[in-house]
Amino acid sequence: GQNIDQPTEMTATEGAIVQINCTYQTSGFNGLFWYQQHAGEAPTFLSYNVLDGLEEKGRFSSFLSRSKGYSYLLLKELQMKDSASYLCAVLDSNYQLIWGAGTKLIIKP
Amino acid sequence: EPEVTQTPSHQVTQMGQEVILRCVPISNHLYFYWYRQILGQKVEFLVSFYNNEISEKSEIFDDQFSVERPDGSNFTLKIRSTKLEDSAMYFCARNRLAGENYEQFFGPGTRLTVL
Repeated sequence: GQNIDQPTEMTATEGAIVQINCTYQTSGFNGLFWYQQHAGEAPTFLSYNVLDGLEEKGRFSSFLSRSKGYSYLLLKELQMKDSASYLCAVLDSNYQLIWGAGTKLIIKP
Repeated sequence: EPEVTQTPSHQVTQMGQEVILRCVPISNHLYFYWYRQILGQKVEFLVSFYNNEISEKSEIFDDQFSVERPDGSNFTLKIRSTKLEDSAMYFCARNRLAGENYEQFFGPGTRLTVL
């Protein structure tokens, strides 16, 4: 079966750095996405990785290792507005997005 | 970026009733998707729609569900006979770039409540 694992919840302090991990086992791989979702809202796109390595975009970076079936999202200089769920999703061989359950990130002052 | 819009934002219906959820208006895009998210649970893929035809569908998308693009712009998801477990947020999504099959932008969603 297809499986995406990420921690259920994480807590971090404003101004700090946090890394959210994601491991996956899917039928085929056409890229990995990270989305941010605030409560009651739609997911919003953060990043897309299809090749191994680190992609940096402002305060957010995403890393992928295809051989390990592993990715992480790194958030720097955390702000209170970063409190949200972070969803890891993999595009499988049928170009279907398979979603993780999301990691709820709580930012404390 | 042109927005993905959805109507209605909220829909309350009785069990067994038909509902139609709309994604409007969209042009110059070939790939569309419907997802649902039951409260507190993960996002689930329902169906992808390419060039006015269903491309892929999940096990959730049984014969109670249908999608169409009746007038070339509106993109609809119909649930023929709603069940209590259909209560969820339903998101329409499109690809950022027409013809490309990744980086999906989501609409604001329709919250469906089945009583």
